[in-house]
Amino acid sequence: KAGVTQTPRYLIKTRGQQVTLSCSPISGHRSVSWYQQTPGQGLQFLFEYFSETQRNKGNFPGRFSGRQFSNSRSEMNVSTLELGDSALYLCASSLVYRVSNEQFFGPGTRLTVL
Amino acid sequence: GQQVMQIPQYQHVQEGEDFTTYCNSSTTLSNIQWYKQRPGGHPVFLIQLVKSGEVKKQKRLTFQFGEAKKNSSLHITATQTTDVGTYFCAHNAGGTSYGKLTFGQGTILTVHP
Repeated sequence: KAGVTQTPRYLIKTRGQQVTLSCSPISGHRSVSWYQQTPGQGLQFLFEYFSETQRNKGNFPGRFSGRQFSNSRSEMNVSTLELGDSALYLCASSLVYRVSNEQFFGPGTRLTVL
Repeated sequence: GQQVMQIPQYQHVQEGEDFTTYCNSSTTLSNIQWYKQRPGGHPVFLIQLVKSGEVKKQKRLTFQFGEAKKNSSLHITATQTTDVGTYFCAHNAGGTSYGKLTFGQGTILTVHP
């Protein structure tokens, strides 16, 4: 099976702009989670989508939003970008009904805000 | 959510030496997962522990979950240069929150040949 894919892999934006990141989960995986990784804050949970519904949400401002489509693909959007939004954004997918509910991470999108 | 403290933040070892990273919580955890992230890569799942006192081994890696389910450790015997990377512990609250992982700060392992 193909792994989790994320597009684009790299992105450079300026403050105030908005950005949309895309994630395609492993085939058959219906749960998609998003994480932000920075050197200072580490790996932080953004949100999780399951069956097109946001099931869990982390402590991020409303500028961060996401959605999931019927084919389980997910997008996240960041509006009014700030310098502090520069980070590696990781998407992870997982099977719902599994004893070991490990998450499979994609390669990430490296966002730089200038 | 329940925070997990991971120590040490950095560990430098000579190839062949052992390595251990610890994950501690002030509250009982329903489970603990361990991930490895190579430099420039993404986290890769290693294992999940759910039972009190559980010990699991994967070749040179030994994972333990404490009796009180408040701490966990990852021990690598005879490190190799391929072990380089950041090791994270993580947990979820279970139920409908299993897709929400809370990560420790990670331990960055450097192995000198």
